[in-house]
Amino acid sequence: AQSVTQLGSHVSVSEGALVLLRCNYSSSVPPYLFWYVQYPNQGLQLLLKYTTGATLVKGINGFEAEFKKSETSFHLTKPSAHMSDAAEYFCAVSDYGNKLVFGAGTILRVKS
Amino acid sequence: EAGVVQSPRYKIIEKKQPVAFWCNPISGHNTLYWYLQNLGQGPELLIRYENEEAVDDSQLPKDRFSAERLKGVDSTLKIQPAELGDSAVYLCASSSPGLAGGNDTGELFFGEGSRLTVL
Repeated sequence: AQSVTQLGSHVSVSEGALVLLRCNYSSSVPPYLFWYVQYPNQGLQLLLKYTTGATLVKGINGFEAEFKKSETSFHLTKPSAHMSDAAEYFCAVSDYGNKLVFGAGTILRVKS
Repeated sequence: EAGVVQSPRYKIIEKKQPVAFWCNPISGHNTLYWYLQNLGQGPELLIRYENEEAVDDSQLPKDRFSAERLKGVDSTLKIQPAELGDSAVYLCASSSPGLAGGNDTGELFFGEGSRLTVL
């Protein structure tokens, strides 16, 4: 069975600083990996996904993530944080689409 | 293209009362999901439909929860009777088959959720 661990339930960065949100996964098969963002009182929106191919994946709003099989990680990064990035971020793993399992989420706070 | 539509957005009920949530998925999406999101946690799958068939309902508490998707389009999730611990956000999502090979890549499209408060 798949599982996801997100290190740090809260992350705080200054505006313009690097954003790094950590995600480690467990999967018995080569996984599909996702990052979703959730703004207050809204549903989840896909930021980016890894299925096959290039391990560095670029998403919307300047985010990117790198699939590292040896480390079973899929950390999310953004070079320069913006106030509008403040939200909750969820990492998720899927075994070829049969079931999407989410991590507990990381709340990103951006300080001015 | 219209997204996943859920109603109601908010619902407050007394414990032991029934409640129902409705979801209309994106047109053409044959897979529909209901997720439960407790405060401070990630979404957890309750039930997954492929067209009108429930293919994964292992996490649905069947003593009080029920769901249906009669015509393979919109879906209803019901709780009867509601308990205090059911206070949460109920998310609906849909997906469609992927690209070449027909495999679903697992990308889900979510509605805004229905927030339930049980008093």
